[in-house]
Amino acid sequence: QQQVKQSPQSLIVQKGGIPIINCAYENTAFDYFPWYQQFPGKGPALLIAIRPDVSEKKEGRFTISFNKSAKQFSLHIMDSQPGDSATYFCAARSSGSARQLTFGSGTQLTVLP
Amino acid sequence: NAGVTQTPKFRILKIGQSMTLQCTQDMNHNYMYWYRQDPGMGLKLIYYSVGAGITDKGEVPNGYNVSRSTTEDFPLRLELAAPSQTSVYFCASSPAGTAGNTIYFGEGSWLTVV
Repeated sequence: QQQVKQSPQSLIVQKGGIPIINCAYENTAFDYFPWYQQFPGKGPALLIAIRPDVSEKKEGRFTISFNKSAKQFSLHIMDSQPGDSATYFCAARSSGSARQLTFGSGTQLTVLP
Repeated sequence: NAGVTQTPKFRILKIGQSMTLQCTQDMNHNYMYWYRQDPGMGLKLIYYSVGAGITDKGEVPNGYNVSRSTTEDFPLRLELAAPSQTSVYFCASSPAGTAGNTIYFGEGSWLTVV
């Protein structure tokens, strides 16, 4: 079974801190790795994504680091703000599939003011 | 622009009842999906469709059925509801082709089976 393992389950940081969320995968056929952000009562929304031919991608304060040999990737949030408090999901998609995603279990991030 | 619209937002069902969760998208996306989200479990794929008239099972299809008669609509049918189907259900869509890697989600339908 395809799996994506995500940690930690929850994370609390002070404003300005750099929370890091980690994911590991098993299926080497995965070719696309997005991160989704979900606020309470809302659906997940795409935050940032990376392909395995790139080791790092930055979009604003959000950075994905990707280690293909270790089959791991992580999300870093620079200068975190209380408005970043949300649940974050990593995901992965297999090449050739109907674009369905396999999700990690989620990380609930709280950024204290 | 509406995007992916789900109805109802909230519903309480009694054990053994049936119901349909409605989903429609106005982005002309070929691919549509139904996920369920349980606390601490992430999102699990129930069913998906790559186009009108084509559906396929995901990871957790038991107890559910879908149909895709049009590009826009992808309803999810729950037959003989059970407490294990208490969850938040998300419909999503994605364009086909290399240009469309993003999956867009609706705002969810909260279902409680009692």
